Amino acid sequence: TQLLEQSPQFLSIQEGENLTVYCNSSSVFSSLQWYRQEPGEGPVLLVTVVTGGEVKKLKRLTFQFGDARKDSSLHITAAQPGDTGLYLCAGPPSGTYKYIFGTGTRLKVLA
Amino acid sequence: DTAVSQTPKYLVTQMGNDKSIKCEQNLGHDTMYWYKQDSKKFLKIMFSYNNKELIINETVPNRFSPKSPDKAHLNLHINSLELGDSAVYFCASSQDYGLRSYEQYFGPGTRLTVT
Repeated sequence: TQLLEQSPQFLSIQEGENLTVYCNSSSVFSSLQWYRQEPGEGPVLLVTVVTGGEVKKLKRLTFQFGDARKDSSLHITAAQPGDTGLYLCAGPPSGTYKYIFGTGTRLKVLA
Repeated sequence: DTAVSQTPKYLVTQMGNDKSIKCEQNLGHDTMYWYKQDSKKFLKIMFSYNNKELIINETVPNRFSPKSPDKAHLNLHINSLELGDSAVYFCASSQDYGLRSYEQYFGPGTRLTVT
């Protein structure tokens, strides 16, 4: 079974702190997407990483794809209450047409 | 101007009933999906259609039947509803299928409660 394990599962931090969320698998992925989901809404795409070692920045968010394309990380600098939500990594394992979501990280940023 | 829309937003029904959820996308995408999100927020793909053709059919009870009248619509019909079907169902679309990039755009979800 191809899984995407995210850690931590839950994270509660103060405004202004930095944090990193990890997304790990034993399988190689063709690409990985990161989504954020807020209560009562569908996931919203944040970024796609495709190349091993790729780093993408989206304002205070930095995304990295592992060299072997088996893992990814999301780093948030100076977290704000508006960053609160469920963060999901997802992607298609190489050689398949499946699309798998990670186990999710629930982030709460306290003002 | 909603990109992916679903109706209804909430659905409360009794065991044994049959219900449908509708989905429409105006993004011009070729591929549409149905996902189920359980109480632990885990998202699992159920079905995927590309240009009206079924391409992914995960292990889902055959009480669930998707229908795609055209590439902008993907509806989900559920027969003989059971308590375990209670969940949030999301429709999504992506530009194409088989590309390295599978960026998906989600609808707002339909919260189904079976009593």
